[in-house]
Amino acid sequence: QQQVKQSPQSLIVQKGGISIINCAYENTAFDYFPWYQQFPGKGPALLIAIRPDVSEKKEGRFTISFNKSAKQFSLHIMDSQPGDSATYFCAVPPERVGNNRKLIWGLGTSLAVNP
Amino acid sequence: DAGITQSPRHKVTETGTPVTLRCHQTENHRYMYWYRQDPGHGLRLIHYSYGVKDTDKGEVSDGYSVSRSKTEDFLLTLESATSSQTSVYFCAISENSNEQFFGPGTRLTVL
Repeated sequence: QQQVKQSPQSLIVQKGGISIINCAYENTAFDYFPWYQQFPGKGPALLIAIRPDVSEKKEGRFTISFNKSAKQFSLHIMDSQPGDSATYFCAVPPERVGNNRKLIWGLGTSLAVNP
Repeated sequence: DAGITQSPRHKVTETGTPVTLRCHQTENHRYMYWYRQDPGHGLRLIHYSYGVKDTDKGEVSDGYSVSRSKTEDFLLTLESATSSQTSVYFCAISENSNEQFFGPGTRLTVL
């Protein structure tokens, strides 16, 4: 079973600081690397995603950096705000065999941004 | 929540009773998923569906069954609820299997 290792498990950042969350994967047959954001009492929602043919994607204060050779991708939150306090999940799709359309999820990172 | 509803939103039941959770979508998406979320375990896939009457097991399928008789509905049944099935259950839908849209969740307590 494919593994996705996400770190850190929890993170505390001061307002205005940079939050960095990392994910490492094992296999190579992926075409899509998403990050999901989940607020308390809500379901996860797609935050940002990247394809493996680029090394970086930026959307506002959120950036994904992708290192294909190291099999790692990370989420950077610039100028972190208290409203960013949430749980963040990375995920990878396994090799698309037959009707296999599952995502393999990291265990999540609980981010708290102090005001 | 991208046209996804889950019912009930909260349920308390007793050990040994059957429980059915319903996921309903109005997006006509092909793929539907049931996850459970527990502290320290992230999101764990229970079952998923890739079409009407087409389902497959996830990583924690024991004690659960599913049915999908219509595109819009995906039912999750706990055949005989146990305390270890106390959890928050999320339904998700997807059309291209990349982006998944999640429902609001069902909090289930098994006493």
